[in-house]
Amino acid sequence: GQQVMQIPQYQHVQEGEDFTTYCNSSTTLSNIQWYKQRPGGHPVFLIQLVKSGEVKKQKRLTFQFGEAKKNSSLHITATQTTDVGTYFCAGTPSNTGKLIFGQGTTLQVKP
Amino acid sequence: KAGVTQTPRYLIKTRGQQVTLSCSPISGHRSVSWYQQTPGQGLQFLFEYFSETQRNKGNFPGRFSGRQFSNSRSEMNVSTLELGDSALYLCASSLQDSNYGYTFGSGTRLTVV
Repeated sequence: GQQVMQIPQYQHVQEGEDFTTYCNSSTTLSNIQWYKQRPGGHPVFLIQLVKSGEVKKQKRLTFQFGEAKKNSSLHITATQTTDVGTYFCAGTPSNTGKLIFGQGTTLQVKP
Repeated sequence: KAGVTQTPRYLIKTRGQQVTLSCSPISGHRSVSWYQQTPGQGLQFLFEYFSETQRNKGNFPGRFSGRQFSNSRSEMNVSTLELGDSALYLCASSLQDSNYGYTFGSGTRLTVV
């Protein structure tokens, strides 16, 4: 079936280091969304990308949508302890209306 | 404005029982989706409702069902509970569909013993 794969599954970084998580789909996506879930919390919507090659920034976070609309990345510059959590990508395959979530990348930041 | 409200927050049920979970979306949101979250499987799509109609369905057995009322509130039901149904059940609402981003509720933590 349609899948959205996300790597790595876990990442431990020292505070101040950069972090990147990657998302790949087996099919073309009409959009890609990113969510953050803090430990014990629920996913919170961060951003949506819809255009091929689109790049968006939110302070230290940079989001990219691939040219083929099958992959995406989230890059955090100079991580802080407040960045701890699980980051999920989620995409809507072009031929369905379902929002499919990746498995998530859990980020740990050592102070 | 009020967020997505899910009740109850926690639930303990016995195998074979049935359970009903409730979700009240953000006012004005007409799309409600349900997800099952487990450590091993991540966020799995159950179904989506829009204007009282099931618009999309995931790959779950028929024991999982749902409905949406005219005020957009939604319920999901799981019959003949199994141990593997233990999970966090998340409801998410959106204006119309997944192209608008989802707002999630805090979830219902279901434990089947």
